[in-house]
This record gives sequence, C-alpha cells and structure tokens, in this order.
Amino acid sequence: RKEVEQDPGPFNVPEGATVAFNCTYSNSASQSFFWYRQDCRKEPKLLMSVYSSGNEDGRFTAQLNRASQYISLLIRDSKLSDSATYLCVVTLNTGGFKTIFGAGTRLFVKA
Amino acid sequence: GAVVSQHPSWVICKSGTSVKIECRSLDFQATTMFWYRQFPKQSLMLMATSNEGSKATYEQGVEKDKFLINHASLTLSTLTVTSAHPEDSSFYICSARARAGVETGELFFGEGSRLTVL
Repeated sequence: RKEVEQDPGPFNVPEGATVAFNCTYSNSASQSFFWYRQDCRKEPKLLMSVYSSGNEDGRFTAQLNRASQYISLLIRDSKLSDSATYLCVVTLNTGGFKTIFGAGTRLFVKA
Repeated sequence: GAVVSQHPSWVICKSGTSVKIECRSLDFQATTMFWYRQFPKQSLMLMATSNEGSKATYEQGVEKDKFLINHASLTLSTLTVTSAHPEDSSFYICSARARAGVETGELFFGEGSRLTVL
C-alpha cells in the first residue's frame, strides 16, 4: 500500500463545476498535511495547509479526518486556471521531517 | 513567503559530461534541502535529503556516486549529475525547509531544472 494515495484521475470538468479530491495516508503518526498545486513543467506550489478543524480559502476547502486518515480538497466554481495537478502531501516527524507526496491528480477544467 | 531559487532552469549537455544544479534559499536558512526528480506525467520522486554540514541521505535505488550532493552552507545545496546519460534527462527540483523554530513541515520549492542529455 502506498503511503499516500490519491484519486488517479484525470478529472475533466466544465467551468463552474465543483471538484473533490480525495487522499488517504497510511501512517497514523503523520503530523502535517498539505495540498500543493503543480502546473505543467513547473515546481509544486503550496495551495493550502490542512487542519483538523478544516480550512477554507475562497473557493477552496480542505478537510482532514485523522480517525479515517483521510484528506480532501474541494474546489467550488472551478475556473480554467484551476487546471493543474493537485498533490496531497503528508509530513512525518521521525527525528527529522519526512515529506511524502501523493502521485497527484490531474484536473482539466474546460470552457 | 520563503523563496528558493534554482539554477539553471534549463540545461542541455552531451552524454558523459557532468552537470551541476544549484539550489539556494534566498531569505531563510535551510538546514535541510531535498532533491527530487520528476519524469513526465509522474509525481515527484525524492532522490536525497541534503543536510547542511553532513553527508546527504540517499533514497533506495539512487546512486550516490552518480548524483553528488553538497550542502556546504545554510543557503546553498548543489546536485551534480556525473557522467550524464540520456536516461538522466528529467526535471530536477529542490526544496527546502526553514530552520527549526518555524517548523511547520511546509516545503518551499525551487523552480526546477530541466536536464536534457543528448
């Protein structure tokens, strides 16, 4: 089993749609959780940190369920510019931080 | 936010030559930097963890003599691909974590270096 698993994708959605990304992690000792966005041929950029209480940033909502070891990202009213690969990232602190990336889910938003 | 700069962005070289890629943290001290490679349509693969003042820790399957890492200061890590071959062509990305005291687990990425070996 992979340490961090994401929906394989790709997701193809029309503008304005709501898109949900799912991610599960295997290590219950995981401490920090993030969603990164990566555009084609570019470096990943932090989209949101994910907290147990859930957090929202405009059209983006991230949630964490520690009991289920599950992380989600919801994009509402999707825009063409949201097209990218979304990476679920989990960090462990095992004497030093270890960062584990999911394989990413590709999103295509079409007009 | 924190800035990590990577250089060069693009490099094309002949087979057998060595290529050095630099990763700098511009506005913070990075005790730890990471080097990844990414093939088309695949996720990031961690190659090694670079620790300032000590030897890098390589992931399984990554040849340490092939991919030389040096982290001589708190703001600079270098990756040297020695005797590069076409199969080494890839997108290499570095990332850095800020020094302890602002540890959140968040990584700051360089812009990436695209290596093409002819």
